[in-house]
Amino acid sequence: AQSVTQLGSHVSVSEGALVLLRCNYSSSVPPYLFWYVQYPNQGLQLLLKYTSAATLVKGINGFEAEFKKSETSFHLTKPSAHMSDAAEYFCAVSDERGDYKLSFGAGTTVTVRA
Amino acid sequence: NAGVTQTPKFQVLKTGQSMTLQCAQDMNHEYMSWYRQDPGMGLRLIHYSVGAGITDQGEVPNGYNVSRSTTEDFPLRLLSAAPSQTSVYFCASSDRGATGELFFGEGSRLTVL
Repeated sequence: AQSVTQLGSHVSVSEGALVLLRCNYSSSVPPYLFWYVQYPNQGLQLLLKYTSAATLVKGINGFEAEFKKSETSFHLTKPSAHMSDAAEYFCAVSDERGDYKLSFGAGTTVTVRA
Repeated sequence: NAGVTQTPKFQVLKTGQSMTLQCAQDMNHEYMSWYRQDPGMGLRLIHYSVGAGITDQGEVPNGYNVSRSTTEDFPLRLLSAAPSQTSVYFCASSDRGATGELFFGEGSRLTVL
């Protein structure tokens, strides 16, 4: 079964600083990879997804992620953090196209300092 | 647009009680699923359905039942609640072909005493 590991359960950044959230996957075949965001007391919403079309994927709210097969990584970045980015972020993987079952990482909580 | 609607938002049960968490979506999505979210463990798949009349088990199905009689509704039943089922439950739906693009409800927080 596919799995993802998120490094760091909490990340604290200053407003305007780089946000970097790390995700590594285990897969024997090219996976579909996703980042979801969860704002307080809300459900998750899709930030971006990788489906092998391009290794650099741009998402909503200025986030992007780069797929690196050699490192089995799919790290999420945003050049300049905003207070509204405070949330929990989840990396997820799907085995193959048409498989709707996602395996989620444990999540990383982002705190933004003024 | 309503999207995915879950009820109730909060519930407290005693050990051994049963209850049903309701989930409805108005997007005509074929795929629906239930996840539970626990601190430090991310989301884990309980049950899922790829269409009306078709359900299957996910990673943590024990103690839960589902059915899918219509495209819109996917209720989750707790047969005999246990403290280990204290969690936040999320229902999600997805359209055919949109792999991994899940639309989530706002969650149902369940406490079992």
